[in-house]
Amino acid sequence: GQQVQQSPASLVLQEGENAELQCNFSSTATRLQWFYQHPGGRLVSLFYNPSGTKHTGRLTSTTVTNERRSSLHISSSQTTDSGTYFCAIDREGGSAKLIFGEGTKLTVSS
Amino acid sequence: DMKVTQMPRYLIKRMGENVLLECGQDMSHETMYWYRQDPGLGLQLIYISYDVDSNSEGDIPKGYRVSRKKREHFSLILDSAKTNQTSVYFCASSLRTSQNTLYFGAGTRLSVL
Repeated sequence: GQQVQQSPASLVLQEGENAELQCNFSSTATRLQWFYQHPGGRLVSLFYNPSGTKHTGRLTSTTVTNERRSSLHISSSQTTDSGTYFCAIDREGGSAKLIFGEGTKLTVSS
Repeated sequence: DMKVTQMPRYLIKRMGENVLLECGQDMSHETMYWYRQDPGLGLQLIYISYDVDSNSEGDIPKGYRVSRKKREHFSLILDSAKTNQTSVYFCASSLRTSQNTLYFGAGTRLSVL
């Protein structure tokens, strides 16, 4: 079946450092999304990015579909970036049944 | 304001009791989801609903059923809850397009004793 693998599982940074989160998936993704989960639990969508590069603020997502990988870059990290980041892909056929990776837990200390 | 609302936020039940988790959205989204999240794991899809009375099993539907009688409401029912159903349950909704951003509720933390 389709798999989504994220690395690293956890990451600890000092404020101001950059972060690079990786997502590898086992088949051609029709939709790839990045999500952020607040320490309190709510998930928010960061990027819908099936291919190419997208930017928002200090976040950059780059997906190389034929290499089955995506990355999320966080520049100049802040303590408020702490939380868990998930990537998710849709299954073949576009069923909207997203498969989530296990997440990268990011801790940014001051 | 785009919002997905889950009720209740916290729930404690005894094994064998029935459980009803409610979810509402105010965005007229066709598609709604129920996921569960366990420590150290990503989200696992329980059920997806493509519209009223158009539901489809996800990856872990056993022990759960759903109801969607109105587009804005999607319920998750546990008949005779089991201790291994202790988890955090998330509801989400999205437009039924090829670029479906998911909007999540805040989650319901369920403990089955």
